[in-house]
Amino acid sequence: QAVVTQEPSLTVSPGGTVTLTCGSSTGAVTSSHYPYWFQQMPGQAPRTLIYDTTYKHFWTPARFSGSLLGGKAALTISRAQVEDEAHYYCLLSYDGTRWVFGGGTRLTVL
Amino acid sequence: QEQLVQSGSELKRPGASVKISCKASGYTFTKYTIHWVRQAPGQRLEWMGKIKTNTGDPTSAQDFTGRFVFSLDTSVATTYLHISDLKPDDTAIYYCTRPGSGIWGQGTMVSVSS
Repeated sequence: QAVVTQEPSLTVSPGGTVTLTCGSSTGAVTSSHYPYWFQQMPGQAPRTLIYDTTYKHFWTPARFSGSLLGGKAALTISRAQVEDEAHYYCLLSYDGTRWVFGGGTRLTVL
Repeated sequence: QEQLVQSGSELKRPGASVKISCKASGYTFTKYTIHWVRQAPGQRLEWMGKIKTNTGDPTSAQDFTGRFVFSLDTSVATTYLHISDLKPDDTAIYYCTRPGSGIWGQGTMVSVSS
């Protein structure tokens, strides 16, 4: 089974920009992995922010964007806000059959 | 609106079984695959598997074969996760989701303790 890697923790200053990445043990992450990004606040169910690499839901704040960067999927938060402090998880599809979550990134806004 | 509503919390003894339900509403049930996700206390999300709601065809992650079974009843627009021979390590919140649509169930807490 593939292993999906994320930074365990990151810190960003309010108003700053931070990029979270999502890599795969099988090689470069491409659009064929249909990368997803989820935000999870303590005690809450996850919330889908990004799907299919770059697509947002209507509830996804404009400061969040998804991309592919250096062989990884990436989630960039621009003009970070205190309320963005949360755990972020990526999810990758393998051959459209099985999916694997990354280990999650704990983002601190400080 | 489109939503997934899960059954309530469960407290079970080791070796017992549990069946969690996930009822869909607000959309055509057989149009979207349902995924199941596990989150042990303080731990990361784990993709358990999925079930195609038009065919009932399930797919399980490597770590969730055998004791974990996905099923559905289209007549009541509900998918199920059945876990047999429960172990303390199965203590977790279990979510059903349509991740692409951004729809998640509220989660079902399963506690396994003697």
